[in-house]
Amino acid sequence: DTGVSQDPRHKITKRGQNVTFRCDPISEHNRLYWYRQTLGQGPEFLTYFQNEAQLEKSRLLSDRFSAERPKGSFSTLEIQRTEQGDSAMYLCASSSPQGGGANVLTFGAGSRLTVL
Amino acid sequence: AQSVTQLGSHVSVSEGALVLLRCNYSSSVPPYLFWYVQYPNQGLQLLLKYTSAATLVKGINGFEAEFKKSETSFHLTKPSAHMSDAAEYFCAVTTDAGGTSYGKLTFGQGTILTVHP
Repeated sequence: DTGVSQDPRHKITKRGQNVTFRCDPISEHNRLYWYRQTLGQGPEFLTYFQNEAQLEKSRLLSDRFSAERPKGSFSTLEIQRTEQGDSAMYLCASSSPQGGGANVLTFGAGSRLTVL
Repeated sequence: AQSVTQLGSHVSVSEGALVLLRCNYSSSVPPYLFWYVQYPNQGLQLLLKYTSAATLVKGINGFEAEFKKSETSFHLTKPSAHMSDAAEYFCAVTTDAGGTSYGKLTFGQGTILTVHP
């Protein structure tokens, strides 16, 4: 178990460019989440997958954002036509169902995006 | 809807002193509550969780938190601060939606803990 891996750790891009982040969850976890964290704020939920199905998307996820988890393993988060307001840390987390509720998330180290 | 308020964006203590980080939640159904810690340039690490069992929850690194329904609080404490405790701490809430329940967390804004020698 190598934990949740995210790549790249840092990305600097110019406004208008597309960027893609990858997340490799813990192998036995069937649930995968994306969160966004801006400076001085707590993480905010973006979207959630159970296996390959995307079950919920936050209103924060505009049409320029798309997430996939094609085979129920790794996931990608793509941002098209980046804007300066997209600058943030993008966190991925995974979990597996636990008896009694309280789905405990394991977070990756995050991918920091800076849009110039 | 659910929400979390962390009172105090910055807390400073001396090494060996009591650590108290405050968290109040709002939830229309019984909540599950968490404290996470984030060190610089790292992801969030779970410190402890409340899942409707014991109201006093013990976590890693000597931290504990008490769920008080009447006060809608879940404050984090540690009897004696260590330099290595310096980090940002987040309180989070979720609810078991039933059926295909999931852990969509709502986080507070975070509290930065500084520990002075």
